[in-house]
Amino acid sequence: AQKVTQAQTEISVVEKEDVTLDCVYETRDTTYYLFWYKQPPSGELVFLIRRNSFDEQNEISGRYSWNFQKSTSSFNFTITASQVVDSAVYFCALTEALDMRFGAGTRLTVKP
Amino acid sequence: DTGVSQDPRHKITKRGQNVTFRCDPISEHNRLYWYRQTLGQGPEFLTYFQNEAQLEKSRLLSDRFSAERPKGSFSTLEIQRTEQGDSAMYLCASSLGSGRTEAFFGQGTRLTVV
Repeated sequence: AQKVTQAQTEISVVEKEDVTLDCVYETRDTTYYLFWYKQPPSGELVFLIRRNSFDEQNEISGRYSWNFQKSTSSFNFTITASQVVDSAVYFCALTEALDMRFGAGTRLTVKP
Repeated sequence: DTGVSQDPRHKITKRGQNVTFRCDPISEHNRLYWYRQTLGQGPEFLTYFQNEAQLEKSRLLSDRFSAERPKGSFSTLEIQRTEQGDSAMYLCASSLGSGRTEAFFGQGTRLTVV
């Protein structure tokens, strides 16, 4: 069965610090997709990125970057120069052929 | 299109009552998902539809839960004889194509059973 582990329950940083959110997954499939979602205080899950199992290229989007390593089954998310607006719960998720399974989330608090 | 919409946003009900939630997906999306999220946890999968067909149901979905998606458009999730343990946020999401594309979520329906 597929499983997603986000070991960091809560992280608190000061604005402008860099922060990395960890995600480790388990799957028996060779074809799978990984996602990151952001859930701000308003509650709506916001899609950030999708990565398939055949593409290990790291990706950068503005202050966000993702590091996918199949060898360690990890898909970590880094926010550079964090801002107060980055405060939210961040979820990593995995899908094989059917439904999407989420980790328990990491609550990020960015203090001014 | 304004995205996935869910109605109501909040529902307070007495234990034992039945409740029904509605989800309107993004119009061209053929997949629709229901998730449940309790405080401090990630969304837990309940069920999903490919068009009007319900293709998978989680073991979390007891006999008191039923979901429909008539004509492959909007979906309803009904909980019969609600229990306090049913209190949670119920999230709906939709996606286009296979389950490997990103899902877009609604704002959820927060259910409180008193």
